[in-house]
Amino acid sequence: GIQVEQSPPDLILQEGANSTLRCNFSDSVNNLQWFHQNPWGQLINLFYIPSGTKQNGRLSATTVATERYSLLYISSSQTTDSGVYFCAVERGSYIPTFGRGTSLIVHP
Amino acid sequence: DAGITQSPRHKVTETGTPVTLRCHQTENHRYMYWYRQDPGHGLRLIHYSYGVKDTDKGEVSDGYSVSRSKTEDFLLTLESATSSQTSVYFCAISDRGLGRVNYNEQFFGPGTRLTVL
Repeated sequence: GIQVEQSPPDLILQEGANSTLRCNFSDSVNNLQWFHQNPWGQLINLFYIPSGTKQNGRLSATTVATERYSLLYISSSQTTDSGVYFCAVERGSYIPTFGRGTSLIVHP
Repeated sequence: DAGITQSPRHKVTETGTPVTLRCHQTENHRYMYWYRQDPGHGLRLIHYSYGVKDTDKGEVSDGYSVSRSKTEDFLLTLESATSSQTSVYFCAISDRGLGRVNYNEQFFGPGTRLTVL
């Protein structure tokens, strides 16, 4: 099956810093999503982005499908950005594959 | 936010007992999914449904069964719970294919924390 690797596995930032999270995948994909799991466990949709670039406030994402990676940018980080960020990909098998996530801690 | 609820939110049970988790949606989405989340493994798909009475296995389906008798409800059953099934269970929905080939944006419920003693 398709392999998904996220990096870095852990990230610690001071409030106001910028960061880039990466998701590499081993094969071409039809779908890609980024999620934020907050400290209370809720999985929140950030982006549905099988290709191209999207922005939502301080967050933006870019997927380069031909090179098999996606990037999530967080600018001017806030303590509420803390949590785990997951990417999930699908190759048309109806079975999404999740990466193991990047754990982000933002200190005030 | 997508209208997805899960019940119960927390459950403690003993090995060997049957357990049923419920996922309820108000979005009329065709596809529904059950995942489990464990440390070191991320989220893994247990079963999914692509319509009423239409279900299929995911990556980690052993020991689990599902049923979908109505569009809005997707049940996950552990016939005889084991300690290895202690996990957080998430339900997700999607309106797969809506307007676009391959489109599958998933939305998650709040999760159920299950402990099997």
